[in-house]
Amino acid sequence: DTGVSQDPRHKITKRGQNVTFRCDPISEHNRLYWYRQTLGQGPEFLTYFQNEAQLEKSRLLSDRFSAERPKGSFSTLEIQRTEQGDSAMYLCASSLTVGLAGSSSYNEQFFGPGTRLTVL
Amino acid sequence: AQSVAQPEDQVNVAEGNPLTVKCTYSVSGNPYLFWYVQYPNRGLQFLLKYITGDNLVKGSYGFEAEFNKSQTSFHLKKPSALVSDSALYFCAVRDRGTGFQKLVFGTGTRLLVSP
Repeated sequence: DTGVSQDPRHKITKRGQNVTFRCDPISEHNRLYWYRQTLGQGPEFLTYFQNEAQLEKSRLLSDRFSAERPKGSFSTLEIQRTEQGDSAMYLCASSLTVGLAGSSSYNEQFFGPGTRLTVL
Repeated sequence: AQSVAQPEDQVNVAEGNPLTVKCTYSVSGNPYLFWYVQYPNRGLQFLLKYITGDNLVKGSYGFEAEFNKSQTSFHLKKPSALVSDSALYFCAVRDRGTGFQKLVFGTGTRLLVSP
């Protein structure tokens, strides 16, 4: 399967525990995105990487959240001291962008199946 | 700030009939526009995009969408619906005028195609 993969698919944790999710993008894609989706809502942007550089962070990404993409390939999203409000589907996406920064080329994002987090 | 509105929570259509799922957007500059579909327990699948050029965009599975700049709309259409088209559809926008890469999604429209 050459699509975006995420692990685990489901995670149940107790409030106050730390959790970490992994995303493996499509292999040649240089951009990687994290979104959060709650029931009845569309995905909300959290952060994005171009190669290993984290270039955008949403205000939704509180200081309990941290994301890394150390070698410009897979990425991890960690949530410390989880709260019940963190329960959501966490989606990862990747895209391939070529050309100069600010160019008009823009390729679609391909999404993984998501990690469903339940905080008890 | 960017925003997307999908005014219908659900659209019901009979198989074989044409379908339309509505989307309007707001951006400060020119938009990139996208439609995604989500099946139960699966991630979002890309359907089509408008970047520039022809206002009528054709995508996967027979879907198409028309970009209307004056009405700031990007409605999704299909001439003949299939039961298998039943799913949750999301419209998304990116403001080309900013340097930001994030997509802003609508709240989704559930399409139900009856046999």
